[in-house]
Amino acid sequence: RKEVEQDPGPFNVPEGATVAFNCTYSNSASQSFFWYRQDCRKEPKLLMSVYSSGNEDGRFTAQLNRASQYISLLIRDSKLSDSATYLCVVGHSWGKFQFGAGTQVVVTP
Amino acid sequence: DGGITQSPKYLFRKEGQNVTLSCEQNLNHDAMYWYRQDPGQGLRLIYYSQIVNDFQKGDIAEGYSVSREKKESFPLTVTSAQKNPTAFYLCASTEGRDRWEGTEAFFGQGTRLTVV
Repeated sequence: RKEVEQDPGPFNVPEGATVAFNCTYSNSASQSFFWYRQDCRKEPKLLMSVYSSGNEDGRFTAQLNRASQYISLLIRDSKLSDSATYLCVVGHSWGKFQFGAGTQVVVTP
Repeated sequence: DGGITQSPKYLFRKEGQNVTLSCEQNLNHDAMYWYRQDPGQGLRLIYYSQIVNDFQKGDIAEGYSVSREKKESFPLTVTSAQKNPTAFYLCASTEGRDRWEGTEAFFGQGTRLTVV
């Protein structure tokens, strides 16, 4: 079993709709959680950190469920520019980040 | 502006050759990492370094070597022993040990290596 798992998608989302997807992790000692966005053939860029209490940044909401060991990302009012691959990143010991394979989101007009 | 610089952006290698990918950061970060990304797969950790003159193998270190002689530099050598080196290579850095928890990784723009 992979340490970090994501539904690869693609999630095809009409512009203006809401999309949500999860990422599960297997190491209960994981300490830090992030969502990164990666555009085709580019480096990943931090979208947002995920805090225990959940956090929101504009149209993006991230949640952490430690009991069930997953994090989620919700995108409201999707824009065409939200089309990308979203990587789940989990850190559980010093210097060790584990990456999910990514969830592809395609926002259509 | 602070950041991480990888070079070259594109690299072509003949079979049997060693090549070295450059990664430099001016963020004053203690930790640096090398990842490999293949199409449809997540990033896989090759090597990481928590401090100068020290580095650890990641999940797929075979066929690769690194050095960390300076805090700001963490070059990766892809040796001829790496059987399938064609991939997208990403270098990253994070803050130091005492401040690791919760800190995000900053990435370079990547080097796309192709074996010809």
